[in-house]
Amino acid sequence: DSGVTQTPKHLITATGQRVTLRCSPRSGDLSVYWYQQSLDQGLQFLIQYYNGEERAKGNILERFSAQQFPDLHSELNLSSLELGDSALYFCASSKLTEGMNEQFFGPGTRLTVL
Amino acid sequence: AQSVAQPEDQVNVAEGNPLTVKCTYSVSGNPYLFWYVQYPNRGLQFLLKYITGDNLVKGSYGFEAEFNKSQTSFHLKKPSALVSDSALYFCAADSNAGNNRKLIWGLGTSLAVNP
Repeated sequence: DSGVTQTPKHLITATGQRVTLRCSPRSGDLSVYWYQQSLDQGLQFLIQYYNGEERAKGNILERFSAQQFPDLHSELNLSSLELGDSALYFCASSKLTEGMNEQFFGPGTRLTVL
Repeated sequence: AQSVAQPEDQVNVAEGNPLTVKCTYSVSGNPYLFWYVQYPNRGLQFLLKYITGDNLVKGSYGFEAEFNKSQTSFHLKKPSALVSDSALYFCAADSNAGNNRKLIWGLGTSLAVNP
C-alpha cells in the first residue's frame, strides 16, 4: 500500500458527461501528479501540483482540469467526455517538487466512457 | 526533444536466468533516472533511482541498474529472475534543469518470466 488513495475505483459514464476523480496524497507529501494510462498511448503525464499551485503541465487536454486543495487532496475534472478518454487515471505524490524524489502511485481510477 | 526509450516491448526469460530490461535517454543536463514496476491492475511502484555517485544502483526485490553516461543508458538487471517478476517495467528521467520540469517516461517493457 503506497499511502495514496484514489476514488472511485471504477467509473462508467456516457459521452458528453463530466466526471471528477479524487486523490489523497501520502501524509506529508506536497506534490501531486496526475497520469493517464491507455493501451495505445502508454503512460501520459497530465499535470503536477505542489502545495496548491500548478507546477508542471504535460499532455493535458483543455477539457480536463485539476486543482489541489488546502488539505493537499487533488481533483481531476474531465468534461465533454469522449470514447477515447476511457483509460486508467493514476494519481501520484512525492515529498517535494525536486525531481530526485520518487513518486508514490495510487491504485488508479478506471474510467469507461460508453 | 527530450525522450526516454525502452527499445523492447517485451522481454522473455526463463526463471533462474539473469534478466536485463533496457533503457536509454536523451535528456539535457545530469539527469535523475528511475525504474518503476507495474503489476497487473495495480499502480506503479518505485524500484530504484540514480541521482549521483556510484553507477551501479541497487533497489527493491533484488533489482539493480547501471548508469552509463557515455551510452546514455540505465539498464535494469537482476541476476536470477523469478516468475513473480513478471510485470510491466517503466524507465523515467528527470532533466534536473529548466522550467516546467517533469518526469519523462518510457513506453514500458513487459517482462515475462517463464517457469
